[in-house]
Amino acid sequence: TQLLEQSPQFLSIQEGENLTVYCNSSSVFSSLQWYRQEPGEGPVLLVTVVTGGEVKKLKRLTFQFGDARKDSSLHITAAQPGDTGLYLCAGALVGSQGNLIFGKGTKLSVKP
Amino acid sequence: IAGITQAPTSQILAAGRRMTLRCTQDMRHNAMYWYRQDLGLGLRLIHYSNTAGTTGKGEVPDGYSVSRANTDDFPLTLASAVPSQTSVYFCASKDRHGNTEAFFGQGTRLTVV
Repeated sequence: TQLLEQSPQFLSIQEGENLTVYCNSSSVFSSLQWYRQEPGEGPVLLVTVVTGGEVKKLKRLTFQFGDARKDSSLHITAAQPGDTGLYLCAGALVGSQGNLIFGKGTKLSVKP
Repeated sequence: IAGITQAPTSQILAAGRRMTLRCTQDMRHNAMYWYRQDLGLGLRLIHYSNTAGTTGKGEVPDGYSVSRANTDDFPLTLASAVPSQTSVYFCASKDRHGNTEAFFGQGTRLTVV
């Protein structure tokens, strides 16, 4: 059973397009994080969202945590080839020891 | 430079052999983790340690063991490797308290033949 369902699994778009990646669960998380992973490297943190309904912006990236703290989304505006990579959502369940559970990831390819 | 270091970066291992993957961090994080990453399955937690001297099982612990003798080191041992353990292994560390960032090593690509 996958606690964090991430979609889509693959996304190939043209430079300048907008996109949204979703991370959904039936469980409540104390926080959700988004990581980006380049080939041959470990994941690197982009953002942490903690409060239900929270919205955070990082340049062209907008992250939202659902009101019930069960889901999150990542929206990229005017995607660029440099955005290409694997995007992973991860969360710590409420009442857990803080261990991060990861979604399967979204592999994004932005073509010039 | 502060960070987390894994060794080796890659290894080809004969089935049945014993192998230890090394992980060292210099950030004084109390929590450390081992994940495996497989195509289509994402990152799955193998074992974790919330503080030196304690360890716990993750989602896929079978065939693996860990130890945490001190804060900095968290080795992962495959007692008798099998082909299904072919994967990319990532070690991570973070401050256990709060919603803090997990720092990952560069990974170890292990092929069991």
